[in-house]
Amino acid sequence: RKEVEQDPGPFNVPEGATVAFNCTYSNSASQSFFWYRQDCRKEPKLLMSVYSSGNEDGRFTAQLNRASQYISLLIRDSKLSDSATYLCVVTSYIPTFGRGTSLIVHP
Amino acid sequence: DTAVSQTPKYLVTQMGNDKSIKCEQNLGHDTMYWYKQDSKKFLKIMFSYNNKELIINETVPNRFSPKSPDKAHLNLHINSLELGDSAVYFCASSQDHGMGNYEQYFGPGTRLTVT
Repeated sequence: RKEVEQDPGPFNVPEGATVAFNCTYSNSASQSFFWYRQDCRKEPKLLMSVYSSGNEDGRFTAQLNRASQYISLLIRDSKLSDSATYLCVVTSYIPTFGRGTSLIVHP
Repeated sequence: DTAVSQTPKYLVTQMGNDKSIKCEQNLGHDTMYWYKQDSKKFLKIMFSYNNKELIINETVPNRFSPKSPDKAHLNLHINSLELGDSAVYFCASSQDHGMGNYEQYFGPGTRLTVT
């Protein structure tokens, strides 16, 4: 089993849709969790940290489920500008990136 | 003001050559990283330095040697380049390491092509 797994997609959704991504991890000792966004031919940029209590930033909500060892990202009211690859990062000591989930938002 | 900068942005070279990539951060962070992103877009950590000391060294060939002259700089030297080294190399920094609890900020990447 890979350390961090994501559905590569692509997720193809219309503007205004709600879309959710999951990311599973294998190391139960993992301490820190993040979602990054990467646009084509650009560097990854931090989207949000993920806490056990869940956290929300505008249209974005992140959740952590330690029992089932997954994190999720929910995007509400999708915009064209949300089109990108979303990478989850899970850290015990070494940061481990998932392969990313591609999101395409169309008009 | 670029927080994490890398040079060069593009690097095209022949097999067997030696090349260096430079990275600088002006965020005052203590920890810096090198990542490799291959053609399948998989981003994998190579090295990490905390206050000029090596703290993470993943299974990377000895041909790759990082050097941190001070905590604001982390350079990557690659000897005897091979075709498989072609990738995008990203530098990143974080406030500290602390079991990975800190957000990382990435440089724009160096696209290395070995012919």
